[in-house]
Amino acid sequence: NAGVTQTPKFRILKIGQSMTLQCAQDMNHNYMYWYRQDPGMGLKLIYYSVGAGITDKGEVPNGYNVSRSTTEDFPLRLELAAPSQTSVYFCASSYGSGSGVGYTFGSGTRLTVV
Amino acid sequence: QKEVEQNSGPLSVPEGAIASLNCTYSDRGSQSFFWYRQYSGKSPELIMSIYSNGDKEDGRFTAQLNKASQYVSLLIRDSQPSDSATYLCAVNPGNQFYFGTGTSLTVIP
Repeated sequence: NAGVTQTPKFRILKIGQSMTLQCAQDMNHNYMYWYRQDPGMGLKLIYYSVGAGITDKGEVPNGYNVSRSTTEDFPLRLELAAPSQTSVYFCASSYGSGSGVGYTFGSGTRLTVV
Repeated sequence: QKEVEQNSGPLSVPEGAIASLNCTYSDRGSQSFFWYRQYSGKSPELIMSIYSNGDKEDGRFTAQLNKASQYVSLLIRDSQPSDSATYLCAVNPGNQFYFGTGTSLTVIP
């Protein structure tokens, strides 16, 4: 059971470039989330999805896009990368909200924009 | 007002002591509460969940919830150097979780 798989683990982008962070889960979780974590700032929600075809913005969505065509996959797209997007990105999944069951996190993607 | 607030620390305790970590939240509709442990450079891992007032014990960990005071705490008994990490409090009032900024704990051998 792989859990939540994120790729790549590390990436350096130049300003203005674009990339997609991949996230896949094999636990048949309906809910999936993208967070970014900056030093000393905690986890900030970028986007989340409550099921295939349904996505919604979180606290810091500007500069990002998502799609959810299947239950398993929830890719995060960065368009026109900026230095402010340098961060560690975590994907997470759960059965649902309010269920008393917490998230399962992926191992993270460390992104540097130069 | 932040959804979830934690003291950032650092909190230092000697090996074998009890470490006490605290968290307050703003949304009275929150139903589920979680503690995550995050080692440096790693992803958060769930260590405790609680959704009823009172105490919940799991090994050396005890989570305490007081919904009237909007307060969640985590006690770590017999602290070990391997417990040195950042502890994140998370609250689930709806479709998403809100995380505190975390408390850094160092257990001194």
